[in-house]
Amino acid sequence: TQLLEQSPQFLSIQEGENLTVYCNSSSVFSSLQWYRQEPGEGPVLLVTVVTGGEVKKLKRLTFQFGDARKDSSLHITAAQPGDTGLYLCAGRSLYNFNKFYFGSGTKLNVKP
Amino acid sequence: DVKVTQSSRYLVKRTGEKVFLECVQDMDHENMFWYRQDPGLGLRLIYFSYDVKMKEKGDIPEGYSVSREKKERFSLILESASTNQTSMYLCASRLGTSGGAYEQYFGPGTRLTVT
Repeated sequence: TQLLEQSPQFLSIQEGENLTVYCNSSSVFSSLQWYRQEPGEGPVLLVTVVTGGEVKKLKRLTFQFGDARKDSSLHITAAQPGDTGLYLCAGRSLYNFNKFYFGSGTKLNVKP
Repeated sequence: DVKVTQSSRYLVKRTGEKVFLECVQDMDHENMFWYRQDPGLGLRLIYFSYDVKMKEKGDIPEGYSVSREKKERFSLILESASTNQTSMYLCASRLGTSGGAYEQYFGPGTRLTVT
């Protein structure tokens, strides 16, 4: 059983559309990270959110950490083909700062 | 730029063989990690190391061992490869501070197939 559930698993949209990816858990995390992974490469960190209710923006990407620090969302405005990839959320354990629990990922395809 | 390199991008081994996966980082990071990535399961932590010769089991250590003789190098060993160890293996490194410095830097991965 995954500690972090991501939805949807797959998303195929047209360029210019908006989308939201969700990352949910019944567990509390000290922080939460979002990564993007392209085929044949390792994940690359996009953002870390630490405080409950925190919202961070990275150009067209908006990240939110839930008030209770159990869930997070990633919203992309006006998606572009360059946004295509696998998006992973990762929660940092409250009890062992070296342990991160990863979601199963959302595979996004943005068609031109 | 942080660089994490893995010795092979693709590897094919037979059941029962001993397999070594090597990872090297060039940023003097204290912490290094081995994950495996399987479709629908995300990344799962196999082992991590917080210092030379120090290691800690992750969530799925069975069938694996690790070695960290030098700070920059972290090896994953499959003592007797089995078909259920066919997977993508990702190495990562991170600064050792408990606060801040959360980012893990990942290597490109090794896709291991055990036949």
